Amino acid sequence: EVQLVQSGAEVKKPGESLKISCKVSGYSFMTYWIGWVRQMPGKGLEWMGIIYPDDSQTTYSPSFQGQVTISVDKYFSTTYLQWSSLKTSDTAMYYCARFPRPYFDNWGQGTLVTVSS
Amino acid sequence: SYELTQPPSVSVSPGQTASITCFGDNLGDKYVCWYQHKPGQSPVLVIYQDTMRPSGIPARFSGSNSGGTATLTISGAQAPDEADYYCQTWDSSSAVFGGGTKLTVL
Repeated sequence: EVQLVQSGAEVKKPGESLKISCKVSGYSFMTYWIGWVRQMPGKGLEWMGIIYPDDSQTTYSPSFQGQVTISVDKYFSTTYLQWSSLKTSDTAMYYCARFPRPYFDNWGQGTLVTVSS
Repeated sequence: SYELTQPPSVSVSPGQTASITCFGDNLGDKYVCWYQHKPGQSPVLVIYQDTMRPSGIPARFSGSNSGGTATLTISGAQAPDEADYYCQTWDSSSAVFGGGTKLTVL
């Protein structure tokens, strides 16, 4: 069974750094792209970027380029989404999802990130 | 950048057919998929590659895509189908989501 299990909810202050994770199982981690999707409170789904675990090739949405970093650890079958300096506007639910291209077929349970002073 | 436009809301009576549309330039030349998203849950893929249903998705969900319009059709809508629905495509190395449609079954 394909599973994507994300790290737990986070509460951070503006300016702090954060790295959330998404551990996959049930399929060959190296052979499927994985993406990250944001949902701000009361808003729709927004694509942030994708990564190919085998070679760490990454494509970012122009809206998120330079704002976040997507990475992988092949040995732990885990992908990460990272911020160096959080803003209150980063408050959102973040989902990872497997991306066979051009669709997301299996989703993590989501990680709620709250940024507040 | 490419945009997909969905109606904000659609209402349907139980047992009737609901149609949710998604508009984009020459959308028929691209593959479209649809997600169902219920509050407190993760999105679920209900249609991919315009018309394909993943295993476990009821046959009452179907999709089409032609010209500039993709359509998700729910035949015999049921109360559990009440959710937000998003269309999504791939354009110029970017995934693009529509704004979402809230389906109310009442």
